[in-house]
Amino acid sequence: RKEVEQDPGPFNVPEGATVAFNCTYSNSASQSFFWYRQDCRKEPKLLMSVYSSGNEDGRFTAQLNRASQYISLLIRDSKLSDSATYLCVVRHASGGSYIPTFGRGTSLIVHP
Amino acid sequence: GAVVSQHPSRVICKSGTSVKIECRSLDFQATTMFWYRQFPKKSLMLMATSNEGSKATYEQGVEKDKFLINHASLTLSTLTVTSAHPEDSSFYICSAAKTSGFAGELFFGEGSRLTVL
Repeated sequence: RKEVEQDPGPFNVPEGATVAFNCTYSNSASQSFFWYRQDCRKEPKLLMSVYSSGNEDGRFTAQLNRASQYISLLIRDSKLSDSATYLCVVRHASGGSYIPTFGRGTSLIVHP
Repeated sequence: GAVVSQHPSRVICKSGTSVKIECRSLDFQATTMFWYRQFPKKSLMLMATSNEGSKATYEQGVEKDKFLINHASLTLSTLTVTSAHPEDSSFYICSAAKTSGFAGELFFGEGSRLTVL
C-alpha cells in the first residue's frame, strides 16, 4: 500500500461545478497535511494547509479525518484557472526532520 | 513569499558525464532541504533529505554514490548526478522549509529537467 494515495483522475468538470478530491495516508503518526497545486511542468505551490478542525480559503475547503486517515479538498464554483494537478502532502517526523510524502496528484480539468 | 532558486532549469548531457544542480534559498535560511525526482504523470518521489553541515539521508533505493548531495551552507544544497545514464533523465526538484517544525510550508525550486543522451 502506498503511503499517500490519490485518485489520479482526470476530473473533467464544467465551469461553476463543485468538485471534491480525497487523499488517504497510511502513516498514523503523520503530523501535518497540505494540499499543493502543480501546473504542467512547473514546481508545486502551496494551496492550503489542512487543520484538524477543517479550514476554508475562499472557494477551497479542506478537511482532515484522522480516525479514517484521509484528507479532502473541495473546490466550489470551479474556474478555468483551477485546471491543474492537486497534490496531497503528508509530513511525519523522522531523524529530526519532518519528511514530506507526496501523493501522485489528482488532475483537474475545468472546461467552458 | 519565500523564494527558492534552482539552476540549471534544463540540461542535456552525454551519457557518462556528471551534472550538478544547485538549490538556493534566496531570502531565508533552510537547515533542511529535500530533493525529489518526478517522472511524467507520476508523483514527486523523495530522494533524500539534506541537512546543513551533515550527511544527507537517502531514501531506500536511492544510490548515494550516484546522487551526491552537499549542503554546505544554510542557503545552498547541491545534487550531483554522477556518470549519468539515459535512465537518469527526469525532472529533479528541490524544496526547503523556512521553519523546522512539521507545519512549515515547503517552498520549491523551479525544477531541473535533465536529459541524458
